[in-house]
Amino acid sequence: EVHLVESGGGLVQPGGSLRLSCAASGLTINTNYISWVRQAPGKGLEWVSIMYSGGGTFYADSVQGRFTISRDNSKNTLYLQMDSLKPDDTAVYYCARGHCSDKGCYPWYFDTWGQGTLVTVSS
Amino acid sequence: QSALTQPPSASGSLGQSVTISCTATISDLGDYNFFSWYQQHPGKAPKLLIYEVTKRPSGVPDRFSGSKSGTTASLTVSGLQAEDEGDYYCSSYIGNNKGVFGGGTKLTVL
Repeated sequence: EVHLVESGGGLVQPGGSLRLSCAASGLTINTNYISWVRQAPGKGLEWVSIMYSGGGTFYADSVQGRFTISRDNSKNTLYLQMDSLKPDDTAVYYCARGHCSDKGCYPWYFDTWGQGTLVTVSS
Repeated sequence: QSALTQPPSASGSLGQSVTISCTATISDLGDYNFFSWYQQHPGKAPKLLIYEVTKRPSGVPDRFSGSKSGTTASLTVSGLQAEDEGDYYCSSYIGNNKGVFGGGTKLTVL
């Protein structure tokens, strides 16, 4: 069974940094498309970043230049390094896998989600 | 403002059907078939209901169906059940290796 488990959230001051982790089981991260999606308290979902199976990385305009997605294949774990954090970055951060079927894998349909980790940016 | 516009709320009675719309404000999205739909219950992670406009992942009841006309995708929930109450989000690839979600629709089952 496929599982994703996020960790690393917490309280950080504006301008600070935090690194989130997404540990995968039941799948190999370097053969999957995995995104970070966030949800501010009481608000909707926002796509943040994606790492393609081939290693390509892409970001939403709102985090471009501040966030960096990476992975450690030996640990089967995806990361999100968040720098220059702003209060607007306060949210639950989910990692989510692109849907895979017998016809292939699709980066933009998220069929497996972790439980989320809360990031609070406040002084 | 999101590139995908959803009504903030929708409602239907038990056993009836309800349709939630998702309108792309970027005209190019009308050429795409990358629309997907998610259900989210309070405090829970979203669940994929529909992908590639009309396809259901295994395990999703056929009460959930998707369609698209022009730049508007729609999710129809038939035979409404109490557990269908929750938030529903559409999503799409918007080019340049970026994705977007709609603002979400809160579905109330009467």
